[in-house]
Amino acid sequence: DGGITQSPKYLFRKEGQNVTLSCEQNLNHDAMYWYRQDPGQGLRLIYYSQIVNDFQKGDIAEGYSVSREKKESFPLTVTSAQKNPTAFYLCASSPVPDRGPGANVLTFGAGSRLTVL
Amino acid sequence: SQQGEEDPQALSIQEGENATMNCSYKTSINNLQWYRQNSGRGLVHLILIRSNEREKHSGRLRVTLDTSKKSSSLLITASRAADTASYFCAPSSGSGGYNKLIFGAGTRLAVHP
Repeated sequence: DGGITQSPKYLFRKEGQNVTLSCEQNLNHDAMYWYRQDPGQGLRLIYYSQIVNDFQKGDIAEGYSVSREKKESFPLTVTSAQKNPTAFYLCASSPVPDRGPGANVLTFGAGSRLTVL
Repeated sequence: SQQGEEDPQALSIQEGENATMNCSYKTSINNLQWYRQNSGRGLVHLILIRSNEREKHSGRLRVTLDTSKKSSSLLITASRAADTASYFCAPSSGSGGYNKLIFGAGTRLAVHP
């Protein structure tokens, strides 16, 4: 089955530690995204990537870093600089960014819930 | 990119009733999408309506788009308990550059048996 796999599903971190959330897709999508969701709120865009070896900051990139070395993979590192990292993190992908009306339909992973102790 | 604003924030109905939720946006769009999120899960794409369409159906879902009012509505007919979820709209401008989707706080729908 094609889809997006996020891991781990649950993650606990001590203050001051960096953690990396994994996101893998086998949909052959060019674009990948990371969103953050806080309880009862919408999704805020952290980083996105249109193509391998290229990525752009979203609205709340501070304290996060990403890499896009392979088309299938877009890991997110939550660094110790992120002051309030406890949240639900969602990874998504889309076929080709901005290539017609249906090109930016997103497929989401199941999410990773990060809790800072 | 622009964010849609869903209304109401929360909606509680009985099984079998219809559920209507609304979305407003600020600038012109190429299309508008609706997504659903079950509690603690990722979002799932429901339907996309293009700017030159006024209504679209998919099973028990009916989406309307009024570009003059910059608004859309999602109607779920004959609701079921399994429809309990949050629903998000995502207006898309596709203005030639990269277009990323921005999601609002959504409408939380509770369908009671």
